[in-house]
Amino acid sequence: DGGITQSPKYLFRKEGQNVTLSCEQNLNHDAMYWYRQDPGQGLRLIYYSQIVNDFQKGDIAEGYSVSREKKESFPLTVTSAQKNPTAFYLCASSIGSGVSGELFFGEGSRLTVL
Amino acid sequence: GQQVMQIPQYQHVQEGEDFTTYCNSSTTLSNIQWYKQRPGGHPVFLIQLVKSGEVKKQKRLTFQFGEAKKNSSLHITATQTTDVGTYFCAGPKGSQGNLIFGKGTKLSVKP
Repeated sequence: DGGITQSPKYLFRKEGQNVTLSCEQNLNHDAMYWYRQDPGQGLRLIYYSQIVNDFQKGDIAEGYSVSREKKESFPLTVTSAQKNPTAFYLCASSIGSGVSGELFFGEGSRLTVL
Repeated sequence: GQQVMQIPQYQHVQEGEDFTTYCNSSTTLSNIQWYKQRPGGHPVFLIQLVKSGEVKKQKRLTFQFGEAKKNSSLHITATQTTDVGTYFCAGPKGSQGNLIFGKGTKLSVKP
């Protein structure tokens, strides 16, 4: 089945540690996105990539980093510079840029900083 | 900056009652999308509206896009417990190639 796989589903991290969230898609989509979701805040864009080896900052990129070395993969690193990293992280993909077609979301990764 | 606002933030209804959520953009949108997120789940695409004044129906759900393409609504007739979740609208953010989401309306349905 085609889809987006995020891992891990739950992750606990100590303060000061970096953590990498995986996102893999087999939909052959060009564009991929990372969103952060906090209660009552909706979805806020962290980073997005419309093509391999290229990505752009979203609205809340500080403290995060990404790479897009393969079309299928768009991992997100939450660095120790992110002051409030506890959140639900959602990866998504779309055929085109996403503004003219639907986003397909993974099941999310819930990060808790202890 | 560009904003997409949704009201209400929360809505509690008795099963069988109707429900409406409203979405307003600070800028004219080329299209608007709606997503549903079940509790503990991830957003799932419902529909996209493109034309001014467009109305689309999916069973008990009716979606409208305003004439000025700055507002939209989702109406659910005779809610069921399966309608529980958060409904988000989203529109293109300028020419950047990504979407800006509203904060969502969380619907709870009492059986």
